[in-house]
Amino acid sequence: LAKTTQPISMDSYEGQEVNITCSHNNIATNDYITWYQQFPSQGPRFIIQGYKTKVTNEVASLFIPADRKSSTLSLPRVSLSDTAVYYCLVGDKLDSSYKLIFGSGTRLLVRP
Amino acid sequence: KAGVTQTPRYLIKTRGQQVTLSCSPISGHRSVSWYQQTPGQGLQFLFEYFSETQRNKGNFPGRFSGRQFSNSRSEMNVSTLELGDSALYLCASSAGQQNTGELFFGEGSRLTVL
Repeated sequence: LAKTTQPISMDSYEGQEVNITCSHNNIATNDYITWYQQFPSQGPRFIIQGYKTKVTNEVASLFIPADRKSSTLSLPRVSLSDTAVYYCLVGDKLDSSYKLIFGSGTRLLVRP
Repeated sequence: KAGVTQTPRYLIKTRGQQVTLSCSPISGHRSVSWYQQTPGQGLQFLFEYFSETQRNKGNFPGRFSGRQFSNSRSEMNVSTLELGDSALYLCASSAGQQNTGELFFGEGSRLTVL
């Protein structure tokens, strides 16, 4: 059964780079790794998705090692508005059913 | 393009009652999935519908059910409510498969069971 593990919380300061790692030891061979951001009283919002190596978009980078048992979300030069909860997401296929497994979330606090 | 719309945003029920929540996906999206979010258990997958068929299901009791209509709008129902069902219920829509592409979430329906 797929299981994801993330740090519960992280602190940073404005302008710093933040790296949040998620372990997903039992990820399926053909499954993607996705990261979401959630603010209070809102639904999660897509940040980035990858399958292997490195993916970069305008807001973040995602690093995935060759064994794909973990992934690291990198937020460059964070600002106060990046204070939020960050979730990694992988899929789990058991028998014929596929379900998404969210990590427990990492609460990032960005200080001035 | 309008986002995912969930109604109602807030509701209060008592134990034993039942509740129906509604979700209107982004136009053109055929997949709708539902999630329960609580402080203790985090975000948990309930089920996913695609073209009016339940395609995948999480580990929730049969009291939790859903359906999808021909216009892709979806409803979920919880019967015989328990205190532990108090949660934020989130719906997400996507264009295709669940984890190959972006899930677009609504703002959720916050259910309080007294």
